Amino acid sequence: DAGVTQSPTHLIKTRGQHVTLRCSPISGHKSVSWYQQVLGQGPQFIFQYYEKEERGRGNFPDRFSARQFPNYSSELNVNALLLGDSALYLCASSLQLRGPYEQYFGPGTRLTVT
Amino acid sequence: DQQVKQNSPSLSVQEGRISILNCDYTNSMFDYFLWYKKYPAEGPTFLISISSIKDKNEDGRFTVFLNKSAKHLSLHIVPSQPGDSAVYFCAASATSYGGSQGNLIFGKGTKLSVKP
Repeated sequence: DAGVTQSPTHLIKTRGQHVTLRCSPISGHKSVSWYQQVLGQGPQFIFQYYEKEERGRGNFPDRFSARQFPNYSSELNVNALLLGDSALYLCASSLQLRGPYEQYFGPGTRLTVT
Repeated sequence: DQQVKQNSPSLSVQEGRISILNCDYTNSMFDYFLWYKKYPAEGPTFLISISSIKDKNEDGRFTVFLNKSAKHLSLHIVPSQPGDSAVYFCAASATSYGGSQGNLIFGKGTKLSVKP
């Protein structure tokens, strides 16, 4: 079975631009979460979506938004990019909204903002 | 303020010996704990988890111990193998509390090096 897939794998953007990252969860998983990992830190929670509704939001500015589609895939959008947005963006899927449960991560999208 | 702390940035052990990775947490609402392993250029891979109603969970070479009173958990790898060399993240979740929606709070990670 395919795991969590993310696209693109790498991306270089300029300050002020907009970016869209995409994620396909494991088949049957209805919950998708997004995390940001900067160098030397652990992943930091951005959003959780379940059944196309936002179910959780981390401490990130309104420049970050996301949505989930009927097939449970998801997009993360970041507007007005800043240099500090350079990071590895991870998508994770899980069967349930509430636990206990495990989240399974994709390989990530490496975003570089210049 | 970090709610999940991994105070050792790195650990080096000899092949065949035990690796012990430690994690401390501060939030009493955390009731589910997970360990992930991460290789460079890959996403974190789930290893093992433990609910707060247990104090030990085993899966093959991996055992996680939870000490709720000390708000401390540890991952034991026995015997350690060179392929175990990776960054290990401890994560916690407050699954019983609707406010957190079950998202994971990660530590900064510990880089494990297993030498042949």
